Amino acid sequence: GAGVSQSPSNKVTEKGKDVELRCDPISGHTALYWYRQSLGQGLEFLIYFQGNSAPDKSGLPSDRFSAERTGGSVSTLTIQRTQQEDSAVYLCASSSQGVSNYGYTFGSGTRLTVV
Amino acid sequence: GNSVTQMEGPVTLSEEAFLTINCTYTATGYPSLFWYVQYPGEGLQLLLKATKADDKGSNKGFEATYRKETTSFHLEKGSVQVSDSAVYFCAPRRAGGFKTIFGAGTRLFVKA
Repeated sequence: GAGVSQSPSNKVTEKGKDVELRCDPISGHTALYWYRQSLGQGLEFLIYFQGNSAPDKSGLPSDRFSAERTGGSVSTLTIQRTQQEDSAVYLCASSSQGVSNYGYTFGSGTRLTVV
Repeated sequence: GNSVTQMEGPVTLSEEAFLTINCTYTATGYPSLFWYVQYPGEGLQLLLKATKADDKGSNKGFEATYRKETTSFHLEKGSVQVSDSAVYFCAPRRAGGFKTIFGAGTRLFVKA
């Protein structure tokens, strides 16, 4: 597609429920990233995909968080048993390659509110 | 590990004022350096980048020079406009690495 698409744009869920967040990167971009932006905070790295594999999962906050990418394209971030501290904007970005000279193209994010 | 420190905000300026947002980083080797901008209600956008020492990145009247000796990448603009009101993020990316570290962001308000 023309840009990085994320869905849903907003999600309100009850504490303890599972949620799935979707990211559709720019066609042909092999690198895909998930970040989290909490209110008034900077961006927190969650996970990086190169193709379908995830060389760096170091930022996932707990085992309630998981992510997958299929067909080298769409990625889903799943949060199980959501907690109030999971409330944040979840940002997805893609890049044409994983190497350092390329910037990211970000989606508009999914605003998650856990009540 | 790599880290980045950028000027705390908010920064409030009048239209046509000169802007500097300071950014310093710690990294091994020669990272690539980026500035991203987030306009109200929008996602982050790449503003400019520099990939080696003494390179100057520029876009939309903004400039930043890669200063290896001071490990800095300060963002400047000679004359800001109201439409420049946004949050600006300094973001180094380790040489040969995949992950970009983002600063906390600096919010800029420009008054007419």
